[in-house]
Amino acid sequence: NAGVTQTPKFRVLKTGQSMTLLCAQDMNHEYMYWYRQDPGMGLRLIHYSVGEGTTAKGEVPDGYNVSRLKKQNFLLGLESAAPSQTSVYFCASSSSGGGNTGELFFGEGSRLTVL
Amino acid sequence: SQQGEEDPQALSIQEGENATMNCSYKTSINNLQWYRQNSGRGLVHLILIRSNEREKHSGRLRVTLDTSKKSSSLLITASRAADTASYFCFRAGNNRKLIWGLGTSLAVNP
Repeated sequence: NAGVTQTPKFRVLKTGQSMTLLCAQDMNHEYMYWYRQDPGMGLRLIHYSVGEGTTAKGEVPDGYNVSRLKKQNFLLGLESAAPSQTSVYFCASSSSGGGNTGELFFGEGSRLTVL
Repeated sequence: SQQGEEDPQALSIQEGENATMNCSYKTSINNLQWYRQNSGRGLVHLILIRSNEREKHSGRLRVTLDTSKKSSSLLITASRAADTASYFCFRAGNNRKLIWGLGTSLAVNP
């Protein structure tokens, strides 16, 4: 029972490099989310998706892009990484969203360092 | 940021004691959820309480919700060293906003 799987778990980038984080869920959830977690800042929503082929901006979308070509996958891309994007990234999914958001299922996180 | 408030920020207790943490919010909610995060791991859902519920139990966890005071509390009874973690509240508002608190860091000393 995999749940939500994130890859890679760790990555070190140089400023200006690009990379993609992959999130996969096997629960047939419509809603998927990308968060970043920084000390003292809590969880901040980057982008989210309400279904296959849809994406929407969250609180802190600048510098990130996302795609949801398949229902089970939600990709987070950094086109030109900056040191300010050093963080731990979490993917989550849920079967319901908006004002009736139910239980969120989280991945184990991807720790990204930008030098 | 629309993050709400949790208190205390940090809590240190002895094994066997009860731990209480609180969450306050500003806008109306449909439900409020509590999550646990062990160091270096993802968040795990603990309990969901709906706006028309006042109290909910799950094992050693008890959650209360007071919509008139816009606050919730999580009580962990008979704490164990394994309860050491950060605890977060999450609100799904009826304005469709999803809001996370900054968390309470709980240390349970053996």
